[in-house]
Amino acid sequence: DAKTTQPNSMESNEEEPVHLPCNHSTISGTDYIHWYRQLPSQGPEYVIHGLTSNVNNRMASLAIAEDRKSSTLILHRATLRDAAVYYCMDDAGGTSYGKLTFGQGTILTVHP
Amino acid sequence: EAGVVQSPRYKIIEKKQPVAFWCNPISGHNTLYWYLQNLGQGPELLIRYENEEAVDDSQLPKDRFSAERLKGVDSTLKIQPAELGDSAVYLCASSLDLAHRRGELFFGEGSRLTVL
Repeated sequence: DAKTTQPNSMESNEEEPVHLPCNHSTISGTDYIHWYRQLPSQGPEYVIHGLTSNVNNRMASLAIAEDRKSSTLILHRATLRDAAVYYCMDDAGGTSYGKLTFGQGTILTVHP
Repeated sequence: EAGVVQSPRYKIIEKKQPVAFWCNPISGHNTLYWYLQNLGQGPELLIRYENEEAVDDSQLPKDRFSAERLKGVDSTLKIQPAELGDSAVYLCASSLDLAHRRGELFFGEGSRLTVL
């Protein structure tokens, strides 16, 4: 299974940018990088995904390293509602196409 | 548009009793997933369906767990008999054709099981 590594926790202040890192040690050329987040007592929620180029959407930006061994999820202005567990994953591809393997994620705390 | 609907939200049972969870995916989503989430851990895939076919059930403990997705829409996950270690949140997710959406999953709120 594809494996990623993330810091266990990070902290931020409200309205400041947050950069959440992820290492993708086993990623292959056709695997997409996905980010999800999980708010307390809810199911995970899709945030963003990409292949090689940096991606932007209304929730966040995704910066992907040139060698694709690392990615960074960027929240441009953190709010209290962004406090959640953030998961980065590879789409394993091949026979496991679409199988997302969640790790333990990064717990993001946002201070007022 | 309604999201993924799961029921029950909470269930408390005695060990060795059976339990079933139901999931209604987003309309038109042909792929359905059941995940297990233990406290403080990320979700773990139990089974994945493409329409009514289980295409990945390698992580499903088949001695006590079973799942079905008749007619390729709703799905049921059953545990019989339940054990203390089965206490967890059971999450259902659905997605469109993977060729187009490349794994973007929509999750339900989950069913929290407590086995006493």
